[in-house]
Amino acid sequence: GQSLEQPSEVTAVEGAIVQINCTYQTSGFYGLSWYQQHDGGAPTFLSYNALDGLEETGRFSSFLSRSDSYGYLLLQELQMKDSASYFCAVRAAGGKLIFGQGTELSVKP
Amino acid sequence: GAGVSQSPSNKVTEKGKDVELRCDPISGHTALYWYRQSLGQGLEFLIYFQGNSAPDKSGLPSDRFSAERTGGSVSTLTIQRTQQEDSAVYLCASSLDEGQGYEQYFGPGTRLTVT
Repeated sequence: GQSLEQPSEVTAVEGAIVQINCTYQTSGFYGLSWYQQHDGGAPTFLSYNALDGLEETGRFSSFLSRSDSYGYLLLQELQMKDSASYFCAVRAAGGKLIFGQGTELSVKP
Repeated sequence: GAGVSQSPSNKVTEKGKDVELRCDPISGHTALYWYRQSLGQGLEFLIYFQGNSAPDKSGLPSDRFSAERTGGSVSTLTIQRTQQEDSAVYLCASSLDEGQGYEQYFGPGTRLTVT
């Protein structure tokens, strides 16, 4: 079977750093993607890790450890506009994505 | 160019009716994906196309669901004899090709309500 686990909710204050963890168990694994979705909006791509290590894109970084079947998304200098749901997604064979249930991030002033 | 578009944006239908949902991918994107999302839930994979072929239909929940893609562009997802449990947002996404499937561009979705 295939399953991804991520926290359902995270709360942080503006300017802080928050880490959203994702563990996965899948029959095929090519990499881990992260997507952001604002209420009522379409998911948008944030980052992708195919290999172990840290990928940095501006205020957002993503990490992968294939041996631990674990990854995380790190958001720095949090802003109110970062309040959204964040999904990790395993890239399986053929390019299809298997999504986690999402983590709702609330940024407080 | 333009992003992924979907129509209709909202569809209310009676139980037992058939519905067709349409997706226009980004021009030049050869891979196209269908997902559905229930309120507060993650995205559930339904089917994907590479060109006009559907290598993976494993996510279609029942034989009431079918999809096709013509001309390597527009795709239609058809749900026959709709049931209340089919109510969800149906999202379409495209990527440059299946090798770039980790970076998908999503449309705004079609909100389907079955009464």
